[in-house]
Amino acid sequence: DTGVSQDPRHKITKRGQNVTFRCDPISEHNRLYWYRQTLGQGPEFLTYFQNEAQLEKSRLLSDRFSAERPKGSFSTLEIQRTEQGDSAMYLCASSLSGGGRETQYFGPGTRLLVL
Amino acid sequence: GNSVTQMEGPVTLSEEAFLTINCTYTATGYPSLFWYVQYPGEGLQLLLKATKADDKGSNKGFEATYRKETTSFHLEKGSVQVSDSAVYFCALRSGGATNKLIFGTGTLLAVQP
Repeated sequence: DTGVSQDPRHKITKRGQNVTFRCDPISEHNRLYWYRQTLGQGPEFLTYFQNEAQLEKSRLLSDRFSAERPKGSFSTLEIQRTEQGDSAMYLCASSLSGGGRETQYFGPGTRLLVL
Repeated sequence: GNSVTQMEGPVTLSEEAFLTINCTYTATGYPSLFWYVQYPGEGLQLLLKATKADDKGSNKGFEATYRKETTSFHLEKGSVQVSDSAVYFCALRSGGATNKLIFGTGTLLAVQP
């Protein structure tokens, strides 16, 4: 069990550029989540997949954000036309569905800085 | 709506002191409650959890009891170490159709030798 991995760990981009982040969940986990964490705050939910289906999206996920999980394994989060307000840590988590005992395990995050 | 309120930090303690970080929640139904810890430059690690009222979660000397009557899940440790210095997040999962976690704002703990 190698845990949840994310790539890249750090990304610096200029305003207006597109960026894409990847998340590889724990291998047997069927659920995958994306969160965003800004400095001094707790993580905020962005979106959630069960297998390849995107089941919930937060109002935080504007039209410039898109997430996919094409084969129910890894997921990508793309931000188009980045803005300075997108600067944050983007966290991925995975879990195995199991009712009340479900636990989400987090990756190390991708820190994005938009200049 | 569902929410989590944590005591504001930073909390500064000397090594071997007793730790309490308060957490209260607002939720419909019967949420599961979690404490996550974030060490500098790292992602979140699950510290402990409780899934029903009166459950006590424990790990690495930390404990928290799910108190439905006071809607609280306070984190405690009897004797902190320098290595416990980190940010601690209380979170809830409300269950039902959504599985997302709702986090508090985090409490920075600094333990001095």
